[in-house]
Amino acid sequence: SQQGEEDPQALSIQEGENATMNCSYKTSINNLQWYRQNSGRGLVHLILIRSNEREKHSGRLRVTLDTSKKSSSLLITASRAADTASYFCATDAAGTYKYIFGTGTRLKVLA
Amino acid sequence: GAGVSQSPSNKVTEKGKDVELRCDPISGHTALYWYRQSLGQGLEFLIYFQGNSAPDKSGLPSDRFSAERTGGSVSTLTIQRTQQEDSAVYLCASSLGAGGPLEQYFGPGTRLTVT
Repeated sequence: SQQGEEDPQALSIQEGENATMNCSYKTSINNLQWYRQNSGRGLVHLILIRSNEREKHSGRLRVTLDTSKKSSSLLITASRAADTASYFCATDAAGTYKYIFGTGTRLKVLA
Repeated sequence: GAGVSQSPSNKVTEKGKDVELRCDPISGHTALYWYRQSLGQGLEFLIYFQGNSAPDKSGLPSDRFSAERTGGSVSTLTIQRTQQEDSAVYLCASSLGAGGPLEQYFGPGTRLTVT
């Protein structure tokens, strides 16, 4: 079964709005990563947050991690049409480097 | 520098034939992953190589699937006696591995179609 599950499965917003997507996982982790996939650039790493961190920022991205709830959220602020893509979380099983990807959130930003 | 490369980019094969998919990781990356992605779906973990350690094969869906990594660099994923349900995009990724940054760098994938 998948370690990570994203929700919502699909999200459609207007340009300039914020987009929030969530990831839940099942077992203890060392870190959690978010990736973006679009047809033009394939899968690209966005941000990594370690299990002892609660929040991390990178440009317009903000990631939170709640290990007690085994969940993470990715916030994209001031979205752009170019942010249209699928977003995946990936979690490792604590003590290993094996990553399991979630099912993804398909984000569509309307111009 | 060069990223992860995969070949071929597309492969169409007849049911029952064997196929080999190749991955060239980023130089110096000790960790290498294979994933499978069906249309509109997430990534399914297949196998993980880390340096000279025994690979983690726990994601291989059947004994028709095998992979090797020669000299700690290039990897080949082999699917024997292909079935239509094997049709998917096969993605390879590499990372610095143990002790280094854990971001994975993905190749463009091989789209496999079994007819």
